[in-house]
Amino acid sequence: AQSVAQPEDQVNVAEGNPLTVKCTYSVSGNPYLFWYVQYPNRGLQFLLKYITGDNLVKGSYGFEAEFNKSQTSFHLKKPSALVSDSALYFCAVRDSNAGNNRKLIWGLGTSLAVNP
Amino acid sequence: EADIYQTPRYLVIGTGKKITLECSQTMGHDKMYWYQQDPGMELHLIHYSYGVNSTEKGDLSSESTVSRIRTEHFPLTLESARPSHTSQYLCASSDHNYGYTFGSGTRLTVV
Repeated sequence: AQSVAQPEDQVNVAEGNPLTVKCTYSVSGNPYLFWYVQYPNRGLQFLLKYITGDNLVKGSYGFEAEFNKSQTSFHLKKPSALVSDSALYFCAVRDSNAGNNRKLIWGLGTSLAVNP
Repeated sequence: EADIYQTPRYLVIGTGKKITLECSQTMGHDKMYWYQQDPGMELHLIHYSYGVNSTEKGDLSSESTVSRIRTEHFPLTLESARPSHTSQYLCASSDHNYGYTFGSGTRLTVV
Protein backbone atom coordinates (compact mmCIF):
# COMPACT_ATOMS: atom_id res chain seq x y z
CA ALA A 1 0.00 0.00 0.00
CA GLN A 2 1.13 3.53 -0.69
CA SER A 3 1.83 5.81 2.26
CA VAL A 4 3.58 9.03 3.15
CA ALA A 5 4.94 10.06 6.53
CA GLN A 6 5.86 13.53 7.70
CA PRO A 7 7.31 12.73 11.11
CA GLU A 8 7.30 16.30 12.45
CA ASP A 9 4.06 18.16 13.14
CA GLN A 10 6.01 21.39 13.54
CA VAL A 11 9.45 22.68 12.65
CA ASN A 12 10.89 25.86 14.14
CA VAL A 13 13.91 27.58 12.65
CA ALA A 14 15.53 30.98 12.99
CA GLU A 15 15.55 33.30 10.01
CA GLY A 16 18.70 32.88 7.97
CA ASN A 17 19.32 29.32 9.15
CA PRO A 18 18.92 26.29 6.89
CA LEU A 19 15.64 24.43 7.12
CA THR A 20 14.64 20.81 6.52
CA VAL A 21 11.13 19.38 6.42
CA LYS A 22 11.17 15.59 6.39
CA CYS A 23 9.17 13.17 4.27
CA THR A 24 9.39 9.42 3.86
CA TYR A 25 7.25 7.27 1.60
CA SER A 26 6.28 3.71 0.81
CA VAL A 27 5.22 2.53 -2.66
CA SER A 28 5.53 -0.75 -4.50
CA GLY A 29 6.89 0.73 -7.72
CA ASN A 30 8.81 3.86 -8.54
CA PRO A 31 7.59 6.98 -6.74
CA TYR A 32 6.41 10.26 -8.13
CA LEU A 33 7.03 12.71 -5.29
CA PHE A 34 5.71 16.22 -4.66
CA TRP A 35 5.93 19.08 -2.19
CA TYR A 36 3.22 21.67 -1.76
CA VAL A 37 2.97 24.73 0.47
CA GLN A 38 -0.18 26.20 1.99
CA TYR A 39 -0.38 29.72 3.36
CA PRO A 40 -3.23 30.60 5.77
CA ASN A 41 -6.70 30.59 4.23
CA ARG A 42 -5.36 29.58 0.83
CA GLY A 43 -5.21 26.52 -1.39
CA LEU A 44 -2.06 24.48 -1.87
CA GLN A 45 0.69 25.75 -4.14
CA PHE A 46 3.05 23.43 -5.99
CA LEU A 47 6.71 23.73 -4.93
CA LEU A 48 8.54 20.93 -6.71
CA LYS A 49 8.35 17.35 -7.91
CA TYR A 50 10.53 14.34 -8.58
CA ILE A 51 9.49 12.09 -11.44
CA THR A 52 12.79 10.78 -12.75
CA GLY A 53 16.36 11.94 -13.37
CA ASP A 54 18.51 13.98 -10.99
CA ASN A 55 17.97 13.14 -7.35
CA LEU A 56 18.29 16.80 -6.36
CA VAL A 57 15.25 18.75 -7.48
CA LYS A 58 15.06 22.54 -7.39
CA GLY A 59 11.74 24.29 -7.03
CA SER A 60 10.00 27.56 -6.32
CA TYR A 61 11.09 30.17 -3.75
CA GLY A 62 14.59 28.71 -3.37
CA PHE A 63 13.42 25.32 -2.10
CA GLU A 64 14.98 22.03 -3.12
CA ALA A 65 14.46 18.39 -2.25
CA GLU A 66 16.60 15.31 -2.52
CA PHE A 67 15.21 11.96 -3.56
CA ASN A 68 16.93 9.16 -1.64
CA LYS A 69 15.78 5.78 -2.88
CA SER A 70 17.62 3.70 -0.30
CA GLN A 71 16.13 5.67 2.57
CA THR A 72 12.78 6.17 0.79
CA SER A 73 12.94 9.84 1.63
CA PHE A 74 12.25 13.14 -0.08
CA HIS A 75 13.19 15.85 2.41
CA LEU A 76 12.50 19.48 1.59
CA LYS A 77 15.34 21.92 2.18
CA LYS A 78 16.25 25.58 1.92
CA PRO A 79 19.72 27.00 2.66
CA SER A 80 18.48 30.19 4.34
CA ALA A 81 14.97 30.45 5.79
CA LEU A 82 12.79 33.55 5.53
CA VAL A 83 9.99 34.59 7.86
CA SER A 84 7.72 34.50 4.81
CA ASP A 85 8.43 30.76 4.47
CA SER A 86 6.25 30.16 7.53
CA ALA A 87 3.41 27.97 6.28
CA LEU A 88 2.05 24.43 6.19
CA TYR A 89 3.99 22.02 3.97
CA PHE A 90 2.60 18.83 2.47
CA CYS A 91 4.49 15.94 0.92
CA ALA A 92 2.65 13.64 -1.53
CA VAL A 93 3.45 10.48 -3.47
CA ARG A 94 2.01 8.53 -6.32
CA ASP A 95 3.11 5.02 -7.26
CA SER A 96 4.15 4.80 -10.93
CA ASN A 97 2.68 1.29 -10.92
CA ALA A 98 -0.66 2.44 -9.59
CA GLY A 99 -2.37 1.96 -12.91
CA ASN A 100 -5.86 3.40 -12.78
CA ASN A 101 -5.35 4.59 -9.21
CA ARG A 102 -4.05 8.01 -10.09
CA LYS A 103 -4.64 9.74 -6.79
CA LEU A 104 -1.86 11.35 -4.81
CA ILE A 105 -1.34 10.08 -1.28
CA TRP A 106 -0.77 12.97 1.11
CA GLY A 107 1.23 13.35 4.27
CA LEU A 108 -0.40 14.97 7.29
CA GLY A 109 1.49 18.21 6.83
CA THR A 110 4.28 19.96 8.72
CA SER A 111 3.85 23.46 10.09
CA LEU A 112 7.00 25.51 9.55
CA ALA A 113 7.59 28.54 11.76
CA VAL A 114 10.52 30.82 10.90
CA ASN A 115 11.35 33.15 13.75
CA PRO A 116 12.82 36.62 13.11
CA GLU B 1 -4.22 32.15 -18.22
CA ALA B 2 -4.95 28.51 -17.35
CA ASP B 3 -6.18 28.18 -13.81
CA ILE B 4 -8.70 26.67 -11.42
CA TYR B 5 -11.39 28.77 -9.80
CA GLN B 6 -13.51 28.22 -6.74
CA THR B 7 -16.50 30.28 -5.69
CA PRO B 8 -17.46 31.54 -3.26
CA ARG B 9 -14.28 32.11 -1.23
CA TYR B 10 -16.26 32.44 1.99
CA LEU B 11 -19.81 31.31 2.76
CA VAL B 12 -21.81 31.59 5.98
CA ILE B 13 -25.13 29.80 5.79
CA GLY B 14 -27.88 28.58 8.09
CA THR B 15 -28.53 24.98 9.04
CA GLY B 16 -30.74 23.10 6.61
CA LYS B 17 -29.91 25.22 3.56
CA LYS B 18 -28.87 23.69 0.27
CA ILE B 19 -25.54 24.92 -1.06
CA THR B 20 -23.39 24.37 -4.11
CA LEU B 21 -19.68 25.06 -4.15
CA GLU B 22 -18.40 25.84 -7.61
CA CYS B 23 -15.13 24.66 -9.14
CA SER B 24 -14.01 25.32 -12.70
CA GLN B 25 -10.70 24.80 -14.47
CA THR B 26 -9.48 26.09 -17.80
CA MET B 27 -6.63 23.62 -18.28
CA GLY B 28 -8.61 20.82 -19.91
CA HIS B 29 -7.64 18.39 -17.13
CA ASP B 30 -9.49 15.10 -17.06
CA LYS B 31 -9.09 14.49 -13.34
CA MET B 32 -10.65 16.62 -10.64
CA TYR B 33 -10.82 16.27 -6.87
CA TRP B 34 -12.56 17.71 -3.81
CA TYR B 35 -10.78 17.78 -0.46
CA GLN B 36 -12.08 18.77 2.95
CA GLN B 37 -9.60 20.38 5.32
CA ASP B 38 -9.99 21.80 8.80
CA PRO B 39 -7.66 24.78 9.47
CA GLY B 40 -4.04 23.72 9.62
CA MET B 41 -4.92 20.07 9.40
CA GLU B 42 -4.56 17.21 6.95
CA LEU B 43 -6.36 16.87 3.62
CA HIS B 44 -9.29 14.47 3.31
CA LEU B 45 -10.34 13.36 -0.18
CA ILE B 46 -14.14 13.35 -0.36
CA HIS B 47 -14.85 13.06 -4.13
CA TYR B 48 -12.98 12.65 -7.37
CA SER B 49 -13.65 12.35 -11.07
CA TYR B 50 -11.55 10.95 -13.89
CA GLY B 51 -13.69 12.45 -16.64
CA VAL B 52 -17.13 13.51 -17.77
CA ASN B 53 -19.92 11.44 -16.18
CA SER B 54 -17.40 9.76 -13.88
CA THR B 55 -17.52 10.43 -10.13
CA GLU B 56 -16.28 8.43 -7.16
CA LYS B 57 -16.40 8.83 -3.41
CA GLY B 58 -13.13 9.51 -1.69
CA ASP B 59 -11.48 8.20 1.43
CA LEU B 60 -13.57 10.29 3.84
CA SER B 61 -17.30 9.69 3.92
CA SER B 62 -19.19 12.86 3.06
CA GLU B 63 -22.85 13.79 2.84
CA SER B 64 -22.07 15.95 -0.16
CA THR B 65 -22.58 14.99 -3.80
CA VAL B 66 -20.78 15.98 -6.98
CA SER B 67 -21.44 15.99 -10.71
CA ARG B 68 -19.21 16.14 -13.80
CA ILE B 69 -21.30 17.06 -16.81
CA ARG B 70 -18.55 19.12 -18.44
CA THR B 71 -14.79 18.60 -18.31
CA GLU B 72 -14.14 22.03 -16.84
CA HIS B 73 -16.83 22.04 -14.14
CA PHE B 74 -17.00 19.96 -10.92
CA PRO B 75 -19.52 21.40 -8.46
CA LEU B 76 -20.10 20.05 -4.96
CA THR B 77 -23.56 20.14 -3.39
CA LEU B 78 -24.78 19.82 0.17
CA GLU B 79 -28.54 19.22 0.20
CA SER B 80 -28.96 20.21 3.84
CA ALA B 81 -26.05 21.98 5.50
CA ARG B 82 -25.21 21.22 9.15
CA PRO B 83 -22.70 22.78 11.56
CA SER B 84 -20.54 19.62 11.21
CA HIS B 85 -20.00 20.60 7.56
CA THR B 86 -18.11 23.72 8.65
CA SER B 87 -14.68 23.39 7.04
CA GLN B 88 -12.53 24.47 4.12
CA TYR B 89 -13.23 22.77 0.81
CA LEU B 90 -10.42 22.59 -1.76
CA CYS B 91 -10.85 21.69 -5.40
CA ALA B 92 -7.94 20.41 -7.52
CA SER B 93 -7.32 19.11 -11.02
CA SER B 94 -4.54 17.15 -12.68
CA ASP B 95 -3.49 15.57 -15.93
CA HIS B 96 -1.52 12.38 -16.61
CA ASN B 97 0.86 11.36 -13.87
CA TYR B 98 1.89 14.65 -12.47
CA GLY B 99 0.87 16.96 -9.70
CA TYR B 100 -2.30 18.75 -8.85
CA THR B 101 -3.33 22.37 -9.32
CA PHE B 102 -5.47 23.67 -6.47
CA GLY B 103 -8.08 26.37 -6.27
CA SER B 104 -8.00 28.95 -3.49
CA GLY B 105 -10.65 27.07 -1.52
CA THR B 106 -14.08 27.81 -0.08
CA ARG B 107 -14.32 28.36 3.65
CA LEU B 108 -17.79 27.22 4.69
CA THR B 109 -19.39 28.09 8.00
CA VAL B 110 -22.78 26.61 8.88
CA VAL B 111 -24.53 28.33 11.76
